[in-house]
Amino acid sequence: AQKVTQAQTEISVVEKEDVTLDCVYETRDTTYYLFWYKQPPSGELVFLIRRNSFDEQNEISGRYSWNFQKSTSSFNFTITASQVVDSAVYFCGVGGGGSQGNLIFGKGTKLSVKP
Amino acid sequence: KAGVTQTPRYLIKTRGQQVTLSCSPISGHRSVSWYQQTPGQGLQFLFEYFSETQRNKGNFPGRFSGRQFSNSRSEMNVSTLELGDSALYLCASSLALSRDEQYFGPGTRLTVT
Repeated sequence: AQKVTQAQTEISVVEKEDVTLDCVYETRDTTYYLFWYKQPPSGELVFLIRRNSFDEQNEISGRYSWNFQKSTSSFNFTITASQVVDSAVYFCGVGGGGSQGNLIFGKGTKLSVKP
Repeated sequence: KAGVTQTPRYLIKTRGQQVTLSCSPISGHRSVSWYQQTPGQGLQFLFEYFSETQRNKGNFPGRFSGRQFSNSRSEMNVSTLELGDSALYLCASSLALSRDEQYFGPGTRLTVT
C-alpha cells in the first residue's frame, strides 16, 4: 500500500522567508512517481512537479526547488523568498508505476505567507 | 485550450437520495480520475477511467460508481446519500493514466442534509 505523510499541518512565514514543506512517502512499487500540487484559496488544484523514482536529480524552477532523496523516502519542496501569492495548501502525492497506479495524496500543508 | 469542467458546481441533496456529477476532460485527454476531498480525510482517490474502462478503484463503498463515455466525458454517481458524503468532488484528466500530470477541475461541492 502507498502512503504519504506531510507532518506539517500548517506553516506561517513572513514574506521573503524561505520555507520547506516536508513529504515522506511509502510504497512497495519499485517504479513510482512523486507529485506536488498546489491548492490556492480558489480551490482548483494546480500541478507543480512530477518526478520519476529512477530520477533522483533535484529540480529548480524559479523560486521553487525539490529535493528527492530515495534513501529517506522524502520529496521535500522549498520555496525561496516566499510571496503572499504562495499562500495555499500544498499536497504531495505518490503514484504507482504500473497500469494500476492511482495517485495517493498526503493530508496537505497549509502555507500562509504574511506581508 | 479549455480546462476540465465539472457540473454542477454546487449541489444540495437529502439523505437517501442519489446524485450524478459530470466531468468533461481537457480535449485529447483519455484518463479521468475522481477524488473526494473532505477536511477530515483530505484528498481520497475514488476511481479512474481510461478508454471507457475503470482502471483503478479506491476504497469506497459500492454506492459510489462511475462511467466514462466514448468522448472521454465521465459521470460519477452516488446512491443512497449519507451525511458523510458531503464533500468537494474533484475530477482530474490526464493524457494517459493518472500517474501522468493531472489537470483538475474546480470541483462539485456536495452538501447532504
